[in-house]
Amino acid sequence: DQQVKQNSPSLSVQEGRISILNCDYTNSMFDYFLWYKKYPAEGPTFLISISSIKDKNEDGRFTVFLNKSAKHLSLHIVPSQPGDSAVYFCAAYRAGGNKLVFGAGTILRVKS
Amino acid sequence: DTEVTQTPKHLVMGMTNKKSLKCEQHMGHRAMYWYKQKAKKPPELMFVYSYEKLSINESVPSRFSPECPNSSLLNLHLHALQPEDSALYLCASSQTHTYEQYFGPGTRLTVT
Repeated sequence: DQQVKQNSPSLSVQEGRISILNCDYTNSMFDYFLWYKKYPAEGPTFLISISSIKDKNEDGRFTVFLNKSAKHLSLHIVPSQPGDSAVYFCAAYRAGGNKLVFGAGTILRVKS
Repeated sequence: DTEVTQTPKHLVMGMTNKKSLKCEQHMGHRAMYWYKQKAKKPPELMFVYSYEKLSINESVPSRFSPECPNSSLLNLHLHALQPEDSALYLCASSQTHTYEQYFGPGTRLTVT
């Protein structure tokens, strides 16, 4: 049972344009949602998170939007840079559960 | 200091060998985690330690044996592994009862 889904395996974007990565979830009990970025042969790096009581969180070029009714969140990167090319994982957390549930990841390629 | 370190970076072992993976953090985090990641897949949780006690074992085979000697160290003892256990093994840590986990760079394990 995949509770966190990233339906797009890959995304290609031109440098300077907006990248939009999507994530859907099925468990309405999740309290926090996170995005991690991963380069090959490295561990995932925490990027940005959002609480389930908010609908938007922004940090520099990165903004995460949460639509609870649709059980959908998205990560916007603007402007996209070649260094943003990596695998992006969406993850969800339920307070008290002490574990993150990861999506399958989306490979982002930013072309210069 | 937001660093989680893991040693070794790479490990090749035979199916009859015994080896250990090591993880260390000095952020004062009281929860530590072992994940396994296969190529093109998300990280899969294996074990969670909270205040040096094993709190979650995700039905991992007994050939993987975790150990938490103190609040900064986490080991994963390996014995009689199978070739399908070849993967990237990631360690992470977090403050207890929070969602933001910091990952190490991983150990690339190959079982021959």
